Amino acid sequence: AQTVTQSQPEMSVQEAETVTLSCTYDTSESNYYLFWYKQPPSRQMILVIRQEAYKQQNATENRFSVNFQKAAKSFSLKISDSQLGDTAMYFCAFIPSGGSNYKLTFGKGTLLTVNP
Amino acid sequence: KAGVTQTPRYLIKTRGQQVTLSCSPISGHRSVSWYQQTPGQGLQFLFEYFSETQRNKGNFPGRFSGRQFSNSRSEMNVSTLELGDSALYLCASSLALVSGELFFGEGSRLTVL
Repeated sequence: AQTVTQSQPEMSVQEAETVTLSCTYDTSESNYYLFWYKQPPSRQMILVIRQEAYKQQNATENRFSVNFQKAAKSFSLKISDSQLGDTAMYFCAFIPSGGSNYKLTFGKGTLLTVNP
Repeated sequence: KAGVTQTPRYLIKTRGQQVTLSCSPISGHRSVSWYQQTPGQGLQFLFEYFSETQRNKGNFPGRFSGRQFSNSRSEMNVSTLELGDSALYLCASSLALVSGELFFGEGSRLTVL
């Protein structure tokens, strides 16, 4: 069974600064996808960034980037130039590629607050 | 393109009652997943449907059931409600789920009194 661990229940950052959210996972699979999802207060969850395990290059989406360390089973999210709109719950998630798993496994989330 | 629509958005029930929640996926999406979100347990997987077939089920009691219709719309039902069933129930759709990119609805917030 796969597990996803987010060790930081809450974090805060000042506007315009950089913050890194941690995520570790445990799996015996060799091929999989990793994700960061964002859930703003009282709004729907959206995908922030996706990483395919077979790709060594870290994914980047504008101000969001990841540090993917496959051997360490670590997948952290870096948010640069933090904005007030980045205030949200952030979930790390995992799914094996192929096979018949058909479900995402989520971490328990990190509540990020961006302060003005 | 319309997003994932969940109804009702809010509902209050009493213990022992049953509830049915509905989810309309994004047009063209054939995979629908359901998650229960609570402050203590986070996001827990309930089930996933693809072309009217349940392909995976989470570790929930048999009181939790679901189905998917030929138009990909999905419903989930919880019978004999318990206080611990109070949660935000999230529906997500995707083209095929294999890549894991889910599009979520706003959720149905269930309160059991």
